[in-house]
Amino acid sequence: DAGITQSPRHKVTETGTPVTLRCHQTENHRYMYWYRQDPGHGLRLIHYSYGVKDTDKGEVSDGYSVSRSKTEDFLLTLESATSSQTSVYFCAIRPGTGGSYNEQFFGPGTRLTVL
Amino acid sequence: QQQVKQSPQSLIVQKGGISIINCAYENTAFDYFPWYQQFPGKGPALLIAIRPDVSEKKEGRFTISFNKSAKQFSLHIMDSQPGDSATYFCAASTQGGKLIFGQGTELSVKP
Repeated sequence: DAGITQSPRHKVTETGTPVTLRCHQTENHRYMYWYRQDPGHGLRLIHYSYGVKDTDKGEVSDGYSVSRSKTEDFLLTLESATSSQTSVYFCAIRPGTGGSYNEQFFGPGTRLTVL
Repeated sequence: QQQVKQSPQSLIVQKGGISIINCAYENTAFDYFPWYQQFPGKGPALLIAIRPDVSEKKEGRFTISFNKSAKQFSLHIMDSQPGDSATYFCAASTQGGKLIFGQGTELSVKP
């Protein structure tokens, strides 16, 4: 999985509780992304980062926030989880330079269930 | 205009046959078109990608055909094998790198 780990891999939580998912990379890539995968929707971009402390919104950012204080870590936070946020969450990284500058590599995913 | 439409939703092919998955887009600013393969319980893995300045790219049994004027691109899997059974996603992005994914195609290759 291209030097990407996600934690936790599985989580069950209750509506209204805060949840933080972590993505950690060992590739020193500049760009990091959070996607969610739902049946019939493919993968949709939640937030992304183009450097330390530089982040921006994606297609489905409502209810989510992110932080990146170090190159290797990108955190996704659900401030108050809702059942509609039950999904599989994937982190991806992209070098941004070199011959493969556009290629995104995905982590193993986190399955989140909000009851 | 940001959508990428993928078809079919599911596909059954006999071993040794050709699997064909199609995608269409509207945004002419897209300049990078990757295909991803995903097995159950795993993250998507980059399979092959193309830029709009070429009409075809081949890597082993996998070929992307790209039609810029029609705003369509397709994945062809030659000599399909049971091990190719997976979900395939097309995607598109601009230079900003934000991928827009198709809805996915579940491929089953029967022995």
